Amino acid sequence: GAGVSQSPSNKVTEKGKDVELRCDPISGHTALYWYRQSLGQGLEFLIYFQGNSAPDKSGLPSDRFSAERTGGSVSTLTIQRTQQEDSAVYLCASSESAAGVNEQYFGPGTRLTVT
Amino acid sequence: GNSVTQMEGPVTLSEEAFLTINCTYTATGYPSLFWYVQYPGEGLQLLLKATKADDKGSNKGFEATYRKETTSFHLEKGSVQVSDSAVYFCALSDWGGSNYKLTFGKGTLLTVNP
Repeated sequence: GAGVSQSPSNKVTEKGKDVELRCDPISGHTALYWYRQSLGQGLEFLIYFQGNSAPDKSGLPSDRFSAERTGGSVSTLTIQRTQQEDSAVYLCASSESAAGVNEQYFGPGTRLTVT
Repeated sequence: GNSVTQMEGPVTLSEEAFLTINCTYTATGYPSLFWYVQYPGEGLQLLLKATKADDKGSNKGFEATYRKETTSFHLEKGSVQVSDSAVYFCALSDWGGSNYKLTFGKGTLLTVNP
């Protein structure tokens, strides 16, 4: 079946602009995670969605970052007023649920470059 | 809080050499442990996992044993191949109050030469 897909695969933006990154999880997966992979920080958790519950936003680095998940499926990560330190690969993952440890399946990522 | 420490690379080996990548962890609860692999140009893939003490995860000739007494989950392979060249990430998943988010080590780049 189809895996986790993300778009765009690459995004170059100017400092100060807003960007939107999209994630399509595996069909039927109720848990969705966003992570960030950067040279200095490695892989960091950003935000988590489970069904209709309030998201866990504890990993978001600043209030310029936000995310939503519409209809329990597609998710969009928005970064406002981008800064150069936001340059990283943004990874989305989904799992069957968060009730118990379920394997997280990762998408190919969106490479964001802020110039 | 939770953390994962893995040996820094890069690691360069010849084909058929023995591989060990060390990983130790700190967790407040009773975590599950994972090794993820990222091949060049590809996304993260789960390589193996272990969910309780003394469990051994294995896949594609790789093995790792969950050692609670030493809080370790070292990755081993007896004979590496050129196709094993990739970045390897050790990770743990522990209940954080709302979800089983993964905490990753910084990754180890492995290059296997023919």
